[in-house]
Amino acid sequence: AQSVTQLGSHVSVSEGALVLLRCNYSSSVPPYLFWYVQYPNQGLQLLLKYTTGATLVKGINGFEAEFKKSETSFHLTKPSAHMSDAAEYFCAVSERNYGGATNKLIFGTGTLLAVQP
Amino acid sequence: DAEITQSPRHKITETGRQVTLACHQTWNHNNMFWYRQDLGHGLRLIHYSYGVHDTNKGEVSDGYSVSRSNTEDLPLTLESAASSQTSVYFCASSESMRSPQYFGPGTRLTVT
Repeated sequence: AQSVTQLGSHVSVSEGALVLLRCNYSSSVPPYLFWYVQYPNQGLQLLLKYTTGATLVKGINGFEAEFKKSETSFHLTKPSAHMSDAAEYFCAVSERNYGGATNKLIFGTGTLLAVQP
Repeated sequence: DAEITQSPRHKITETGRQVTLACHQTWNHNNMFWYRQDLGHGLRLIHYSYGVHDTNKGEVSDGYSVSRSNTEDLPLTLESAASSQTSVYFCASSESMRSPQYFGPGTRLTVT
């Protein structure tokens, strides 16, 4: 069965610093991977997705993530943090089996990003 | 603009009462999902549907039910609310099996 692990439930960076949020997945078939962001009292907003093709994917708000099959990772990065990036970030894998995609998402437990001035 | 809405946004109910949370999407998506979000657990799938009259149980389906009578709506019913069902509930929809899911704003449910 697929699973997702997000290392670090809380990450704090200074404004202008690199943001790195870690996500590792477990899947016996090629995964579909997603990053979502949740601002306080709001729903989840899609940041970016990987299904097939280019392993470096770019998303909204300057975020990007790289799919590394050998490391079973899909870490989220942003070169320079902004105060508005403070939010909770969720990595998710879309459940798949040998019959195909199911479109069911399995979420990590989230990483709360704080940005210090 | 197409969207996904949830109502009510906040609900307080008593133990044992039946509660229905509404989810409505205007994207004409076939796939719809209900999740609950609890601290330390991320989001967990309750029920999902791949089309009209199709419903399936997710990871934490006990005590919940759904029905899909049209494309736009997937109401979630708590048959007899329990304090353990105090949570934030999110509805989501997607176009196809490879598509990302798009989430509603959530319903905060408190069971006293």
